[in-house]
Amino acid sequence: EAQVTQNPRYLITVTGKKLTVTCSQNMNHEYMSWYRQDPGLGLRQIYYSMNVEVTDKGDVPEGYKVSRKEKRNFPLILESPSPNQTSLYFCASQAGVYSGANVLTFGAGSRLTVL
Amino acid sequence: KNQVEQSPQSLIILEGKNCTLQCNYTVSPFSNLRWYKQDTGRGPVSLTIMTFSENTKSNGRYTATLDADTKQSSLHITASQLSDSASYICVVNTGFQKLVFGTGTRLLVSP
Repeated sequence: EAQVTQNPRYLITVTGKKLTVTCSQNMNHEYMSWYRQDPGLGLRQIYYSMNVEVTDKGDVPEGYKVSRKEKRNFPLILESPSPNQTSLYFCASQAGVYSGANVLTFGAGSRLTVL
Repeated sequence: KNQVEQSPQSLIILEGKNCTLQCNYTVSPFSNLRWYKQDTGRGPVSLTIMTFSENTKSNGRYTATLDADTKQSSLHITASQLSDSASYICVVNTGFQKLVFGTGTRLLVSP
């Protein structure tokens, strides 16, 4: 089944404890992206990647890092989490970048709480 | 500033009734507009994609319209079902995957 898989789905951590949220897709998609969703704010892009070893900042990149060493994986790294990073996180992927008709496939989400 | 505004914020309708959700955007340039459905606790799933030249597109009981002149889109749901209870998100693509998301309309279909 074609899908985007995120782990963990739920995580409670403490301020300053480094964590990684993994994202993997099995559709051979070039484009991958991370979003956070907060009440009343909608989805906001954190980082995106056009292809392997090509990443760029989205609208809210502060406090996050990403890497794209393989096509299928795009982990989100919080080096020193803070309570304002408590949110629902979504990873998404898409085949190609320049075709406007392509559609994002989202993962099921990772709910992160930072105490 | 690129913005996508959706209305209403939330809506309750009786099962079997129709409803229309609105999306107004001030985004430039414009590549396409997409409507997504997001069930509680799940990732968004695409319902329709509309380009500049398309006025109407249907997907089962969902019909999206686009007026590129007034920069408005609507999503009409016909004969609502309990499974339509979800958030509906309007997303405008400015090109090269620069997406501008609306905050969504939360729909509750009541039996």
